[in-house]
Order: sequence, then structure tokens, then C-alpha cells
Amino acid sequence: AQSVSQHNHHVILSEAASLELGCNYSYGGTVNLFWYVQYPGQHLQLLLKYFSGDPLVKGIKGFEAEFIKSKFSFNLRKPSVQWSDTAEYFCAVNADNAGNMLTFGGGTRLMVKP
Amino acid sequence: EAGVAQSPRYKIIEKRQSVAFWCNPISGHATLYWYQQILGQGPKLLIQFQNNGVVDDSQLPKDRFSAERLKGVDSTLKIQPAKLEDSAVYLCASSLDGTGFSYTFGSGTRLTVV
Repeated sequence: AQSVSQHNHHVILSEAASLELGCNYSYGGTVNLFWYVQYPGQHLQLLLKYFSGDPLVKGIKGFEAEFIKSKFSFNLRKPSVQWSDTAEYFCAVNADNAGNMLTFGGGTRLMVKP
Repeated sequence: EAGVAQSPRYKIIEKRQSVAFWCNPISGHATLYWYQQILGQGPKLLIQFQNNGVVDDSQLPKDRFSAERLKGVDSTLKIQPAKLEDSAVYLCASSLDGTGFSYTFGSGTRLTVV
């Protein structure tokens, strides 16, 4: 069964700092990849997704992620974070042998200091 | 577009009691999912419905958990009897089929078992 690892459980940044959150998965077949965000008190929202094509995908609110197949990674980046980016971020994988099931990482809690 | 509706938002029960959660997916979404999110972890799929049929319930603890989606629209998830380790947020999500791959999550029900 596939698994997803997010190495940073808690990240604290100052506003305008650059962000990179790591995500690695364990599955050798074809995958669809996602990043979700959960703002305090709100539901999970899709930030961006990768199905195929350009491995650099751009999402909402200035976020982007790069799929590196050889490293089984899908890291999330943002050049300059804002206080409003304070949230929990989840990487998720859908493997081609898993129907529509998403396997989530453990999440990274980001705090941006004003 | 209305989102995925879940109720109640919060529930506190004593161990060995029973509890039920309700979910109304986005209109027209054939696929409905229940995920369990334990504090500090990513969501884990419990059960997936396609219309009113179960697609995947391999991770549902069937000795105490049950779920139904009788008319292929709204769904209920029940726990009987509850254990302390069932304390979690129970998320419902829905998705369209064959139009890409995009979940919409509800806000969840936070269950505390004391």
C-alpha cells in the first residue's frame, strides 16, 4: 500500500520568507498528486493538483509544487508567505491501483509571524 | 454551488455510547467518502460509496462502525459502541466521476469520546 511522508510537522516563518514543504510518497506506479490546505476552523481545500504534463504546477494563492518522479517527491513552494497562509498543509496521493482513494500525509502546520 | 454539508459540528459522548454523523454531498456527486482524521494525523479513508453501493470499506472497523447511503444521496456514519480512540474529526467528501479528480470536503464532525 502506498504511504505519504511529510517531514516537517511544524514550520514557523516570518512574513515574506520563502516556503518549501516536503512531500514524499512510496508507490512505483502512476500517481495523481495533491496539496490541500486547512485554515483554522475551516474545511480542507484543494491548493493544487498534478495529473500529468508539466511537472511544475501552479495553484491558488501563489503556491506551486514540483513533481520529481525520480525522487518520488511533490514539494510545495511559495516565494513569499503571508500571515494569512497560517494553516495546516496536507500532501495526498492517488495511486492508479486505488480507485479514487486519497492517501494523505500527516500534515505540516505552518505558522507565519507578522 | 453549495458545499458538502455535515452535522453535527461537534459531539461529545461517553465511551460505549453510540453516535451518528450525517453528510449531504454536493448535488450530482455520485461518489461519497468518509474519512477519519485523528489529531496530528492526515485523514484516513474509512469508506467510499458510488451512488448507494460500497466501493471500498477495507479500512472501516466493521465491528463498531457502519455507514449507509440508502438513496444514493446523503449518508450516515454510525459508531456503536464508541471507544476513546475514536475521538477524531470525521470528514465527508464527495466527487464527480469521470470529470477529472476533485474532492470537495465538508467541515467535519469533531467527536470527543470521554
